[in-house]
Amino acid sequence: EADIYQTPRYLVIGTGKKITLECSQTMGHDKMYWYQQDPGMELHLIHYSYGVNSTEKGDLSSESTVSRIRTEHFPLTLESARPSHTSQYLCASSESGSLYEQYFGPGTRLTVT
Amino acid sequence: QKEVEQNSGPLSVPEGAIASLNCTYSDRGSQSFFWYRQYSGKSPELIMFIYSNGDKEDGRFTAQLNKASQYVSLLIRDSQPSDSATYLCAVSSGYSTLTFGKGTMLLVSP
Repeated sequence: EADIYQTPRYLVIGTGKKITLECSQTMGHDKMYWYQQDPGMELHLIHYSYGVNSTEKGDLSSESTVSRIRTEHFPLTLESARPSHTSQYLCASSESGSLYEQYFGPGTRLTVT
Repeated sequence: QKEVEQNSGPLSVPEGAIASLNCTYSDRGSQSFFWYRQYSGKSPELIMFIYSNGDKEDGRFTAQLNKASQYVSLLIRDSQPSDSATYLCAVSSGYSTLTFGKGTMLLVSP
């Protein structure tokens, strides 16, 4: 089982603030993912990465950006938070290859006031 | 557009019964299939994966795959109230991403 960590777990922040959600994994997985999920709703892929210096946009358009400078670290940044960004953000990772399962972190619940 | 369809439920079963959760997918090239359990307010937790046609058993859980019918299911035997959660079906088509269904809510009553 992968060890994948997200910080902070909960964040309440005002409109217009810049925020960075942290995600780290200790399993050496090449692939990492960010999902957005509203309560009771489906998962939406917003960003993913094949490895260092690789980032791709997901299925859901997002105003956030990501970076992948180190294998274990995949932070997500919102330059100017808005109430519409209020959601749960889930980070996941998987080994290389198409048959490998994704493991999820505990999530960050973001509230923008 | 790759699609994964699940009945949203809720599926209600009494404690001790077998719960049957179903999933269909649109992409015939799909290669691997995953079942995740998600408790309310928590992140998804992988419980089963299956690659080949047929059944795969793990404890109380059995995953069934029929690629010809583009159908995958999850059976939970001896259902417990602690199994009450939303179950997500996810499909990989040979690329790096998974396509998730919207999930089926399972309610197991004591």
